[in-house]
Amino acid sequence: DMKVTQMPRYLIKRMGENVLLECGQDMSHETMYWYRQDPGLGLQLIYISYDVDSNSEGDIPKGYRVSRKKREHFSLILDSAKTNQTSVYFCASSLSDTQYFGPGTRLLVL
Amino acid sequence: GDSVTQTEGQVTVSESKSLIINCTYSTTSIAYPNLFWYVRYPGEGLQLLLKVITAGQKGSSRGFEATYNKETTSFHLQKASVQESDSAVYYCALGDRPGYQNFYFGKGTSLTVIP
Repeated sequence: DMKVTQMPRYLIKRMGENVLLECGQDMSHETMYWYRQDPGLGLQLIYISYDVDSNSEGDIPKGYRVSRKKREHFSLILDSAKTNQTSVYFCASSLSDTQYFGPGTRLLVL
Repeated sequence: GDSVTQTEGQVTVSESKSLIINCTYSTTSIAYPNLFWYVRYPGEGLQLLLKVITAGQKGSSRGFEATYNKETTSFHLQKASVQESDSAVYYCALGDRPGYQNFYFGKGTSLTVIP
């Protein structure tokens, strides 16, 4: 059963703190993604990773960075979180033409 | 760039009634894009509902269907008789490039089915 996992599911941080969101997949997919979703805006692509250490900026990379040291693991890092980074974050992986999504992480930055 | 536009906001339908969620797309790709409908149930991540990768073809799943119309650049989602369990957020999406796919999503349509 193809599965994408995300940890944590819920997170509360104070402005200026660092945030680490983790994503894992057990399908050996090469391509992985990080999105954020805000009401009325749909999914916005933050970063895309084509494989280990092969990452590209998406549409809204500012304030974020990523790390992919193993194919099955893709991390999203917020250095000094800001209140406008409060959102739901989704990770996805893809094989050819289909994406598989994780359950999301709901981040609140106070 | 590529984009997807779908029925925005919230849609409320009575159980057993029909449903249509509109989706149109725009692409700069030379090749015809792949088209998808994803669904997000409360508390869960997005799940693939159906996909069509060939223009003119119809995809179907769980009673939903959508036809890839390259003339009107549309991919409307339809269901003849909705159920309360269909209440969810639906996203139309476009994938523009085989291999290293770039995906573009509509803003989502929140469907509420009332008994």
